[in-house]
Amino acid sequence: DGGITQSPKYLFRKEGQNVTLSCEQNLNHDAMYWYRQDPGQGLRLIYYSQIVNDFQKGDIAEGYSVSREKKESFPLTVTSAQKNPTAFYLCASRQTGGIEAFFGQGTRLTVV
Amino acid sequence: RKEVEQDPGPFNVPEGATVAFNCTYSNSASQSFFWYRQDCRKEPKLLMSVYSSGNEDGRFTAQLNRASQYISLLIRDSKLSDSATYLCVVRFFSGYALNFGKGTSLLVTP
Repeated sequence: DGGITQSPKYLFRKEGQNVTLSCEQNLNHDAMYWYRQDPGQGLRLIYYSQIVNDFQKGDIAEGYSVSREKKESFPLTVTSAQKNPTAFYLCASRQTGGIEAFFGQGTRLTVV
Repeated sequence: RKEVEQDPGPFNVPEGATVAFNCTYSNSASQSFFWYRQDCRKEPKLLMSVYSSGNEDGRFTAQLNRASQYISLLIRDSKLSDSATYLCVVRFFSGYALNFGKGTSLLVTP
């Protein structure tokens, strides 16, 4: 079945450590996105990529990094520079010109 | 000013009630409009797109007023299973990303 997969579902890390969240899609979508959601908040855009080897900063990119070496994959690294990394991270993809964005099931990151 | 604004609620309504959610957006150069539904601790899923002429999908009706930069969602004959957070989503002409409101929480009670 086609879809978008995020892993792991839950992730615990110590403060000061970098951590990479995985996002893979087999929908052949060109565009991929990373969002962050905090309790009682909407989704805020971290980074997005419209095509392979290209990505753009979103509204809250500081402390995060991404790569887009393959169409199917858009990993997000949460660096130690991110001051408040504990959140629910959602990856999405969309076909260029398409209407719907499809979301992965999300990764809950807790930094202790 | 936030680009997409919604009343956060919560809206507590009895089964069978009609409930309406509103959303305003600040960027007049907006291209596409959507309502997404998000269940507790789950990912958002597309409920429906919103078209200028208004559109209906079963018990759900969406309206767009471009002049007022206003979007609405009407749910008729509420079911317990409608309990969720409803996210207003706008995509601007100048970009590819979706811009989300904070969501409106709905609780339908027996």
